[in-house]
Amino acid sequence: EAGVTQFPSHSVIEKGQTVTLRCDPISGHDNLYWYRRVMGKEIKFLLHFVKESKQDESGMPNNRFLAERTGGTYSTLKVQPAELEDSGVYFCASSQGGRNNEKLFFGSGTQLSVL
Amino acid sequence: GDSVTQMEGPVTLSEEAFLTINCTYTATGYPSLFWYVQYPGEGLQLLLKATKADDKGSNKGFEATYRKETTSFHLEKGSVQVSDSAVYFCALTSGGAAGNKLTFGGGTRVLVKP
Repeated sequence: EAGVTQFPSHSVIEKGQTVTLRCDPISGHDNLYWYRRVMGKEIKFLLHFVKESKQDESGMPNNRFLAERTGGTYSTLKVQPAELEDSGVYFCASSQGGRNNEKLFFGSGTQLSVL
Repeated sequence: GDSVTQMEGPVTLSEEAFLTINCTYTATGYPSLFWYVQYPGEGLQLLLKATKADDKGSNKGFEATYRKETTSFHLEKGSVQVSDSAVYFCALTSGGAAGNKLTFGGGTRVLVKP
C-alpha cells in the first residue's frame, strides 16, 4: 500500500513567486492535514480537511496561503506571493477518520526555501 | 492553549548509552500523548503513544510513561544504536472537537556515534 506522498520534495523560489505543494493521502483516508516546521522550531498545524471540506483552518498563517482538496482526494497548498518567513518543511498527513486519536500517516515533507 | 516543551538538542551519545528525552505538556482535558520520530530523509513516524494517565507506550526498545501528576511523557531507551539517530518529536492531541489535531514540541535531534 502506498503511503502519503508529497511533491516536490524540495522547492527553491524567490520572494514574491508562487509555489504549489501537493499531497496525495493514502487511498480511502478521509482526513488530510497540513503541518509545517519553520526554522527548526516546533511543527505547527495549518489545517484539516475531511474529504473535500475544510474542518479546521485555524493554523493558516495568512491569506497568502490557499489549500484545496478537490474531490476529496489529493490536496494542494499554494503560497502566493511567497515571503522569506514561509521557508520551512511542509508536512502532510492522513488518517481514515471516524475516531479520535487514531494513527496519522505522514509524508516525507516538502522543503521550501524562499530566497 | 495546548503546548509541548521538550529538551533542545542536539543530543550526542555513544552506542549502547542510555537515552532520555524530557517532554512536558500543557493541555485542557485529558490529552493523548505521542512520540514521533523522523529518520534522515524520511517522514514522521509514530514511535509510541499513551492515551491515559499511567499508561506506558513502548516500541523498538523505547518507552514513555504518561505522568499526569507531573504532566510529563519522557522518552527513554536503555541502549541506543547508531540507527536511532533521528529527530524525536513529543506531541499531544486533546481530542474532542480538536480530533487528531496534533500539537508538537520543538523536536530533539539525537546523534548516536559508534
